[in-house]
Amino acid sequence: GENVEQHPSTLSVQEGDSAVIKCTYSDSASNYFPWYKQELGKRPQLIIDIRSNVGEKKDQRIAVTLNKTAKHFSLHITETQPEDSAVYFCAASMGGYSTLTFGKGTMLLVSP
Amino acid sequence: NAGVTQTPKFQVLKTGQSMTLQCAQDMNHNSMYWYRQDPGMGLRLIYYSASEGTTDKGEVPNGYNVSRLNKREFSLRLESAAPSQTSVYFCASSELDEQFFGPGTRLTVL
Repeated sequence: GENVEQHPSTLSVQEGDSAVIKCTYSDSASNYFPWYKQELGKRPQLIIDIRSNVGEKKDQRIAVTLNKTAKHFSLHITETQPEDSAVYFCAASMGGYSTLTFGKGTMLLVSP
Repeated sequence: NAGVTQTPKFQVLKTGQSMTLQCAQDMNHNSMYWYRQDPGMGLRLIYYSASEGTTDKGEVPNGYNVSRLNKREFSLRLESAAPSQTSVYFCASSELDEQFFGPGTRLTVL
């Protein structure tokens, strides 16, 4: 089955810096890659996703890039703010009605 | 719309006790999922139901059973709870790709 590796497990940045979280996947058939944000004590919520026919997608301060050849994808957060502090999970699936396989998560701490 | 709801929010069990976690969604989604979340382990899929009337095992199904009661409801049962089942349990639903999560149930097994 699919295996998703996520790095780093923790990331500390100063407010205003950029943050990058990287994930690799094992199944070349995967074609849907979402990112979820989970604030402390809350439920995971989708923040951005990308499909395999797209190399990059942006939404304001967040962006995701995908390299299908290398089987890795990354989340980029620019101009970080304290409210970006959370655990971020990447995931992969074959899309449609397929199940998601999640990475182990990255705890991002943004210090004022 | 309430989205995905779960009951209870918290539960403490003794080893060997049984309980059922309830999940309901009002988004008319076909697919529903049960995950457990443990520190440093991410979200691991226990069982899922791709559509009403079907259920399938996920990554960590041992010790659990599920019932897709109807299109809205998907329950998770622990027949004989063990300390290793101490975790936060999330239910989710989806129609195609994006999954919507419930607020979670924090379960402690003593």
